[in-house]
Amino acid sequence: DQQVKQNSPSLSVQEGRISILNCDYTNSMFDYFLWYKKYPAEGPTFLISISSIKDKNEDGRFTVFLNKSAKHLSLHIVPSQPGDSAVYFCAASAVAQGGSEKLVFGKGTKLTVNP
Amino acid sequence: SQTIHQWPATLVQPVGSPLSLECTVEGTSNPNLYWYRQAAGRGLQLLFYSVGIGQISSEVPQNLSASRPQDRQFILSSKKLLLSDSGFYLCAYKTPETGLMSTEAFFGQGTRLTVV
Repeated sequence: DQQVKQNSPSLSVQEGRISILNCDYTNSMFDYFLWYKKYPAEGPTFLISISSIKDKNEDGRFTVFLNKSAKHLSLHIVPSQPGDSAVYFCAASAVAQGGSEKLVFGKGTKLTVNP
Repeated sequence: SQTIHQWPATLVQPVGSPLSLECTVEGTSNPNLYWYRQAAGRGLQLLFYSVGIGQISSEVPQNLSASRPQDRQFILSSKKLLLSDSGFYLCAYKTPETGLMSTEAFFGQGTRLTVV
């Protein structure tokens, strides 16, 4: 059961344009959402996050939007740069049994920014 | 400062051999610890998570097990590897939550396991 879905396995954009990566989730108990960026053979690195009580969080070129009613979030990168080319993972967080918190990831979207 | 170490970086093991991957965290106490696997077309799949010494929760039935013998040490093991165990294994930690504030997880550099 895929609780966090990234339906686009890949995305290609031109340098300077906007990149929009989408993510949908099914579990209404998720209360915190994160985006990670991953290069091949490396661990993911945290990019930006948003709490379920907000609908937008901005950090430089990166903005995450959350639509709770639609259970949808998106990551906007503008302007896109070739160095942004990587796999982007959407993750959602919920309190699990025993009070711990676990992160559930989507399958990732490979972003390619063409010069 | 907080750091996470994971080793080895790459590993080639024959089918049926045992496995032990180690992860240690520095600079924080009582972290939540996680093992993830990235396999082709599967994204990042949560395998195990732990909130304390000896406390392990398993997410999916599999040929693997995890242990937490010390507060900042997390070990992923198998008694007999299968071909399907090949993948990129990632250890991660989160600092304990404070109040209502959630935090991000920090990942190690990963271990590329190839079972032949």
